[in-house]
Amino acid sequence: KQEVTQIPAALSVPEGENLVLNCSFTDSAIYNLQWFRQDPGKGLTSLLLIQSSQREQTSGRLNASLDKSSGRSTLYIAASQPGDSATYLCAPLGGGTSYGKLTFGQGTILTVHP
Amino acid sequence: DAGVIQSPRHEVTEMGQEVTLRCKPISGHDYLFWYRQTMMRGLELLIYFNNNVPIDDSGMPEDRFSAKMPNASFSTLKIQPSEPRDSAVYFCASSQRPPLVSGELFFGEGSRLTVL
Repeated sequence: KQEVTQIPAALSVPEGENLVLNCSFTDSAIYNLQWFRQDPGKGLTSLLLIQSSQREQTSGRLNASLDKSSGRSTLYIAASQPGDSATYLCAPLGGGTSYGKLTFGQGTILTVHP
Repeated sequence: DAGVIQSPRHEVTEMGQEVTLRCKPISGHDYLFWYRQTMMRGLELLIYFNNNVPIDDSGMPEDRFSAKMPNASFSTLKIQPSEPRDSAVYFCASSQRPPLVSGELFFGEGSRLTVL
């Protein structure tokens, strides 16, 4: 069964800092991995999707990398802003016993203060 | 497009009562997913449909839970009888493409259920 761990659980930083959020997963037989953002009381918004054959994906100030063999993904946020405050979740899409299923981590709660 | 629409946004009920949560997926999306989010267990997939047919319901916790999709624009998740441990936020999501083909998921804003 796929298990996903996100570190740190929470992060509070001043505006302007560059951030790294970490995600690890136990089953490397994945098809892709998505990073989502969740604002309080809201649903999830997909930020980036990395295919298993890719090493990284970029969108604006966000960059996500994937090392499938070691079961790790990293979300890098450049020049953080207060509007980036949210919970960030990673979700690998599995094969094997997790075929076709997204397994979510518990998330990293990010607070960016002015 | 209005996105995925869920109702009710909040539901407070007493143990033993029937609860029905509703979802309208994005038009043209053939895949619909029901997730449950709790502090203890995070986000869990309950069931998903393809073209109104349930494909995988292995995440449905008990027989008290049932889900239907009578047509392409409507799905329900029913809990009968409800219990306090069912308290959670229930999300519906839809996708245009299969999960294994880069199917980006679009989530609704969730239905927060509290069972007293």
